Formats: sequence, structure tokens, C-alpha cells
Amino acid sequence: DAKTTQPTSMDCAEGRAANLPCNHSTISGNEYVYWYRQIHSQGPQYIIHGLKNNETNEMASLIITEDRKSSTLILPHATLRDTAVYYCIASSGTYKYIFGTGTRLKVLA
Amino acid sequence: EAQVTQNPRYLITVTGKKLTVTCSQNMNHEYMSWYRQDPGLGLRQIYYSMNVEVTDKGDVPEGYKVSRKEKRNFPLILESPSPNQTSLYFCASRGLSTDTQYFGPGTRLTVL
Repeated sequence: DAKTTQPTSMDCAEGRAANLPCNHSTISGNEYVYWYRQIHSQGPQYIIHGLKNNETNEMASLIITEDRKSSTLILPHATLRDTAVYYCIASSGTYKYIFGTGTRLKVLA
Repeated sequence: EAQVTQNPRYLITVTGKKLTVTCSQNMNHEYMSWYRQDPGLGLRQIYYSMNVEVTDKGDVPEGYKVSRKEKRNFPLILESPSPNQTSLYFCASRGLSTDTQYFGPGTRLTVL
């Protein structure tokens, strides 16, 4: 599975959009991009995933570049409860997942 | 309620004393997995199982064993724990027809 690179930390004002970038320059054609988040030391929570098209659900939007070498997770109206560590993962779904260290997002009041 | 449960949630033990951390899911998921989380290292996969009696190593399997005798259960076994296995452990499950992994609440293990 491809390695992903994320910024260590980011801040976002409450009510504003939070844009979390992820680089996955070695991603292969059959690998999906998954996003999970972890609040405090709870179990990670699935957010969204995509292959090459942009995706949106009730939690977030996922924008994947045309060359698929990077993606951005967008939380449209960040709240204090969105403060968490966000993990970007590239996986072909073959049951091995490399989470990495993620981005620590802090939403500021 | 669909969930993954782990027991115990907290455990303090001593070096060399065998222990088992249980994991159970009620979603009839084929896939189950164990991760450990350490400061600065993120989540690392220990073992995973694609179905009953089918298990495979993740990135950090040394010092751990697993078994999958029933679909709902996937225990993590430390035959001879050492202090470097002090960590936060998560179990996860996933159906083969879905992409979402569901995680348990975590087990915080301290090996003295």
C-alpha cells in the first residue's frame, strides 16, 4: 500500500471550512484513499473514502486530484467536536492498512 | 447496536505473564484486525484475519499471536509480554462488501 504524508498539525476557526491535505504520490491505480479520525484515545472513526472521483457524505467532502497523487478532506463547517487526529490511508482493500501519524486538527472557538 | 467490544479496557501486568485481550463483533463481519498505537508512531497493524481460520501478519506481528476459531471473536495473545508491548491496542472489523472499518474502544496495556 502507498505511503501517505500529512501535516503534523493544523488549526481552524470554528464555523470555517477545515481543509486537510494528504500526499500519496506513489498510489497505485487500484488503491482507494480513506480518511478516518480519532478523538482523544477513542477508536478511529471512518469518515469517507474515494478512488478518483470527488466524494461527499454527511460528514465531509473528499477532493482527489486528477493525477491521484494528493487529496483534501474538507469539513465544511468545523465545530469544536471536530478536534481530532485525522488519518489519510491509501489501501487497495487487501486488508493491510497503514495509518501513519495523521494530522492533529484543533478547532478554535 | 452494532459494535466491537474489547476486554479488558485497562490492564497492568508483569513481564512474562501470558495474557489475552479479547475482541468480539456483532456485525457478522468477515474481516478483523488488531492495531497498536504508540506516541509518535500512529496506528500500526499487528495481525488481521479475513475469515475463520484465516489469519495473516500485519506490520508489527512479533511477540503476538491471534486465533480466529469463530467469526465473531478475534483474541490477541501475548505469550510472554515485555515492556515494549506497553501500548494502546485497538481491534477492528469490516464486512467484505463494505469499506468501513469499525473500531473497538481500545485496551490500554502496561507491562512492568
